[in-house]
Amino acid sequence: EADIYQTPRYLVIGTGKKITLECSQTMGHDKMYWYQQDPGMELHLIHYSYGVNSTEKGDLSSESTVSRIRTEHFPLTLESARPSHTSQYLCASSPGSTGEGSYNEQFFGPGTRLTVL
Amino acid sequence: QKEVEQDPGPLSVPEGAIVSLNCTYSNSAFQYFMWYRQYSRKGPELLMYTYSSGNKEDGRFTAQVDKSSKYISLFIRDSQPSDSATYLCAMMDPFNFNKFYFGSGTKLNVKP
Repeated sequence: EADIYQTPRYLVIGTGKKITLECSQTMGHDKMYWYQQDPGMELHLIHYSYGVNSTEKGDLSSESTVSRIRTEHFPLTLESARPSHTSQYLCASSPGSTGEGSYNEQFFGPGTRLTVL
Repeated sequence: QKEVEQDPGPLSVPEGAIVSLNCTYSNSAFQYFMWYRQYSRKGPELLMYTYSSGNKEDGRFTAQVDKSSKYISLFIRDSQPSDSATYLCAMMDPFNFNKFYFGSGTKLNVKP
């Protein structure tokens, strides 16, 4: 089982609240990712990081922000939650490509199910 | 057009059946193809990946890639109730190894 953790697992909050979803991994992976997953829909990449002090936006337009101050930690923050943010948020990490033709395997955390009322 | 299409199911089969799960894709440049299994209230876990065309076998699971048809399959032999889960196919962007295109998942139920 992958050593990647997410807290909280479930969160119900009111509109306008600021929240931070935590993600930690103990595998020493350089790359980390945040995905959004809605029922019956594909995973959408919202943020990723190549390593410490590196963050990039993914394809899905998101009002969230991320930071990567430590290798093992990649929190996601919503400054003002809205009902449209209700979703499952998945964090993942990978060791990164080790060379041309190699595969970048991702390990997923258990997810945080967020409900915004 | 979506990069990856996957039938959402649900697919219900009796224990011991052979299961076939499939995805189609639009980008002929895809080279890495993955299958993930996701149990309820858990994150996806990698089952298998294949590079380019051909078959790959791991125990009861066989992954098959047909690049000419842009079609990938996952076969499960002697299916078990513990195989009941959602199966996601995914493909790695050949120009950005951080980017993956996921199918929406097929929900499988194996009845005892």
